[in-house]
Amino acid sequence: QVQLVESGGGVVQPGRSLRLSCAASGFTFSSNGMHWVRQAPGKGLEWVAVISSDGSTKHYGDSVKGRFTISRDNSKNMLYLQMNSLRIEDTAIYYCANYYDGSSLIGFWGQGTLVTVSS
Amino acid sequence: DIQMTQSPSTLSASVGDRVTITCRASQSISSWLAWYQQKPGKAPKLLIYKASSLESGVPSRFSGSGSGTEFTLIISSLQPDDFATYYCHQYNNYPYTFGQGTNLEI
Repeated sequence: QVQLVESGGGVVQPGRSLRLSCAASGFTFSSNGMHWVRQAPGKGLEWVAVISSDGSTKHYGDSVKGRFTISRDNSKNMLYLQMNSLRIEDTAIYYCANYYDGSSLIGFWGQGTLVTVSS
Repeated sequence: DIQMTQSPSTLSASVGDRVTITCRASQSISSWLAWYQQKPGKAPKLLIYKASSLESGVPSRFSGSGSGTEFTLIISSLQPDDFATYYCHQYNNYPYTFGQGTNLEI
C-alpha cells in the first residue's frame, strides 16, 4: 500500500533553514509528481509546491516562492523541501502527497511533520 | 490566483441529516475541483475528484456536483463517522488553492 513518511521537522529560529524529507513506498515513485501542502495550527490547508516525476518542472505558492525549493531523488524514492529564510508564519504541519492516478491532483497524503519557527 | 470560498464555515447537523456544502471559485475552473475530508490530528483524505467522481472506497452517500465556478458537496444521510472538516480544492491552475474549510459538527 502507498506510504509517505515525512521527517525533518522541528523548532527553528526565524531566518534559519530546514530541510524536510518524505520517504515514499508502495507506488512507482519515479512516475509520479509530488506535492507539499502545509497547515498552520488550527488553520486550513495551503498548497506549497509541486514537482514533476522527473524533477524538471516545479511550481510554488506565492508565500514561499524564492525561499523554498522542492526536489527529489528518484533513485532513493525521496522527496525534499528545502526551506530557507524561515518566518514565524511558516509554522505548520507539512504534508507530502502524491499525484492521483496519473493526474496532478493531490491524491494520498502522508501524516505530516511539524515545523515550528520561533525565537 | 484563484480564490475558493466555501460556505458555511461551520455546519451543525444530526445523524441522518442531508447536508450541503457549497464552494465558489473566483474564476472558472471547469470541473477541476476536489473535496477532501479531514479529521482532527489526521491527514486529509480525498473524497471526490473532477467535481463529481467518487474516490474508490468512499461511501455512496457522498456526492459532488457543479462546474465552472459553483460546486456542491452533498452527504445524503449523515453518519457518526462523517463529522469532520471538509475542504474544496481547485487543481485547474497553479498555484493550487483550497477553500477555508467547513467544520461539520454534531
